[in-house]
Parts: sequence; C-alpha cells; structure tokens
Amino acid sequence: KNQVEQSPQSLIILEGKNCTLQCNYTVSPFSNLRWYKQDTGRGPVSLTIMTFSENTKSNGRYTATLDADTKQSSLHITASQLSDSASYICVVSVNTGFQKLVFGTGTRLLVSP
Amino acid sequence: EAQVTQNPRYLITVTGKKLTVTCSQNMNHEYMSWYRQDPGLGLRQIYYSMNVEVTDKGDVPEGYKVSRKEKRNFPLILESPSPNQTSLYFCASTRTSGGGELFFGEGSRLTVL
Repeated sequence: KNQVEQSPQSLIILEGKNCTLQCNYTVSPFSNLRWYKQDTGRGPVSLTIMTFSENTKSNGRYTATLDADTKQSSLHITASQLSDSASYICVVSVNTGFQKLVFGTGTRLLVSP
Repeated sequence: EAQVTQNPRYLITVTGKKLTVTCSQNMNHEYMSWYRQDPGLGLRQIYYSMNVEVTDKGDVPEGYKVSRKEKRNFPLILESPSPNQTSLYFCASTRTSGGGELFFGEGSRLTVL
C-alpha cells in the first residue's frame, strides 16, 4: 500500500532556531517527492519538488533532502521566522503515467517569539 | 496573476440541499483535481480531470460529481450533501497530468448541518 508518514506530528521551536521535519514513504514506482507549506486556512504552496536523481534542493531557508534508497526525505528550516508557523506536507508522486499523489498528514510547526 | 479561484470560500448548508463549489484557473492547465482535507487524514483526492470532458474518480468520490466542459473550470457538485461531507475542500491544477507543480486554490470550508 502506498503510504507517506511524517514526523513529528507537531513541533514548537523558538524564533531563530533551526528544525528538521521527516518524511518516510512506501510508494512504488516512485516519480518525485514534494514538500508543501500550508498556512492555517489557506491552500498548500509548493516549496520543492525532487526527482529520483536529486538528493538535495533548496528554496531560500528551506532545504529538502531525499534518500531514495531508504525512502526518506527531510525538510530543514534554517533561522526560523514567525511566518514559518504552518503545516508542512510531504507528497510523493506515483509513476503511473499520470499524476497520482500520495499525501502525508503533515507536521504542524509553531515558531514562538 | 496565476491563480486557482474557488467559490464560495465558506458555506453552511443543510442535509440534502444541492450545492456547487466552483473552481477556475487562469493558467491554461490541462489537469485539475478536487481534494478534501480532514483533521488527521491529510488531503484525499475526490475527482480529477486530465482535460476537457475527461474526468475520473479519485480515492473518495462517493457523494460527489464533477464536470469539465471548459478547460478553465472544474466545478464540484454535491447533489445531496450529508454531514460527513463537512470538510475543507481544495481545487488544484497543473500543466499536464504527467507531473509538475500543483497549484492549489484557497479552499472552501463547507459545513453540512
């Protein structure tokens, strides 16, 4: 069964600190892995998309890594800001010839002043 | 500005009263999709469309209908809403069904009494 699991479920950090969110998946055949940021009550917004051959990708203070062998990904946030408070969703695309996405349930991050 | 627009953003209705949630995108995307998001369950796909007049069921299609008469519009129809359809709904689009960044609307929060 295709599954995406994220940890932790929730996290509180102090402003300015770094944090790392985890994503493990059991999806086959793998196409790509995406990280989305979702502010409360808003639609998800794409942060990164990584294919099988990419093992790291950055978007400003966000850096995603991918280990296709162990089927793990992480999202590292550097020098957190209050605006980083949001849910972060890991999404894996299944290579079925069209876009079949498997969504994680997200990590809710709260950055405290 | 490239965007996916959903209406209404908020709706409270009663059991059995037909309603339609509209979705429109201005990016000339072929692929459009509807998701519902419930606490602890993540995003689940309801229906998707790979092009005009081409629609198919997602993972949770029961109780919903869709149509794709024009490329830009993909309405979600609840013929006889029930309380278990109370949820946060998102429309999304992407250039082709083969992959690429998925753009989400702002969401429609529906409550069925």
